[in-house]
Amino acid sequence: ETGVTQTPRHLVMGMTNKKSLKCEQHLGHNAMYWYKQSAKKPLELMFVYSLEERVENNSVPSRFSPECPNSSHLFLHLHTLQPEDSALYLCASSPEDSSYNEQFFGPGTRLTVL
Amino acid sequence: AQSVSQHNHHVILSEAASLELGCNYSYGGTVNLFWYVQYPGQHLQLLLKYFSGDPLVKGIKGFEAEFIKSKFSFNLRKPSVQWSDTAEYFCAVTLSGNTGKLIFGQGTTLQVKP
Repeated sequence: ETGVTQTPRHLVMGMTNKKSLKCEQHLGHNAMYWYKQSAKKPLELMFVYSLEERVENNSVPSRFSPECPNSSHLFLHLHTLQPEDSALYLCASSPEDSSYNEQFFGPGTRLTVL
Repeated sequence: AQSVSQHNHHVILSEAASLELGCNYSYGGTVNLFWYVQYPGQHLQLLLKYFSGDPLVKGIKGFEAEFIKSKFSFNLRKPSVQWSDTAEYFCAVTLSGNTGKLIFGQGTTLQVKP
């Protein structure tokens, strides 16, 4: 596969569940990002990883826990979420974590929290 | 805080009509500007970008955008839309020389009637 892939594409979970979202990029990029897209709100940056180190946490609650084991993979671990966390979660990558780079997006995971 | 505003949330046009989507940002420093597009069922992808130089930039599929620094604007234009331009359009900025943190507008849904 090419580009940025995300699994699962859809996820329904209860508030007491623990689940993980996975993102994989096949572009040889060094930076990866998690974004949240809620209904009627702009896409919001959640986390930035550069060379597997977290360089930004955009005031995200601790019930979201990112992990970047290598430059190709990014995870978002979810636990004790709230219904308002229901949203589309997008992963993106870019060659470097730079303001000049285009970001390449995955298809997203549609999360519903019951 | 920096923000991006897209004035038109939903635009409906007939084929061959001209398009202009508004985008304004609030930040006093130097910015890099992007338009991303999401076609139905597809990933977000870059349409065009502006970093410096000629304020009129051309992108894919006949789109162009003009950066007007005095108005903090980066409006997207196309002289003659096609049915295949039906999509959601997102304006975004990064702060020049900073990280890759993209600040997005709310998006504009464009529907082109054949």
